[in-house]
Amino acid sequence: KNQVEQSPQSLIILEGKNCTLQCNYTVSPFSNLRWYKQDTGRGPVSLTIMTFSENTKSNGRYTATLDADTKQSSLHITASQLSDSASYICVVSLSSASKIIFGSGTRLSIRP
Amino acid sequence: NAGVTQTPKFQVLKTGQSMTLQCAQDMNHNSMYWYRQDPGMGLRLIYYSASEGTTDKGEVPNGYNVSRLNKREFSLRLESAAPSQTSVYFCASSELPSRDEQYFGPGTRLTVT
Repeated sequence: KNQVEQSPQSLIILEGKNCTLQCNYTVSPFSNLRWYKQDTGRGPVSLTIMTFSENTKSNGRYTATLDADTKQSSLHITASQLSDSASYICVVSLSSASKIIFGSGTRLSIRP
Repeated sequence: NAGVTQTPKFQVLKTGQSMTLQCAQDMNHNSMYWYRQDPGMGLRLIYYSASEGTTDKGEVPNGYNVSRLNKREFSLRLESAAPSQTSVYFCASSELPSRDEQYFGPGTRLTVT
């Protein structure tokens, strides 16, 4: 069964600290993996996209990694800011059909 | 560009009532989607339209109907609302189906009592 699992479910860190969010998937055949940021009360917004051949992709303080062999991805946030408080959603696309699988997200709270 | 717009932002319905959620995009995208988001669960696809004139069922289509009115607009209709349809509904669009980045609207929070 195609699944995307994220951990932890929620995370609280102090402003200025780093954190890493995890995404494991069993989707096959794999096309690409995106990380979305969803602020409270708003729709998700894409942060990064990685295809099978890419190991890492950065977007400012956000760095995503992909290990296609172990089917794991991580999103690393450096020097967190209060505005990073949001849900982060891992989304995997299949290459064989018009289908994408959403993870349930990690809710990140940054405390001053 | 407004991106993806949705109306209404909030709605309360009684069981059995009907309503239509409206969605429009101004990015000339071919594909449009309707999702629902429930606490502790990922976004689940209700229906999608890969291109103007086509619609297909997603993961949770029961109790819903859709209309791709033109390239810009994609509406979601609840014919007889049930409490299980209480959720936040998101419309999204992308240039091409599935693998492209999806652009989401702000959502509609629906409560069915």
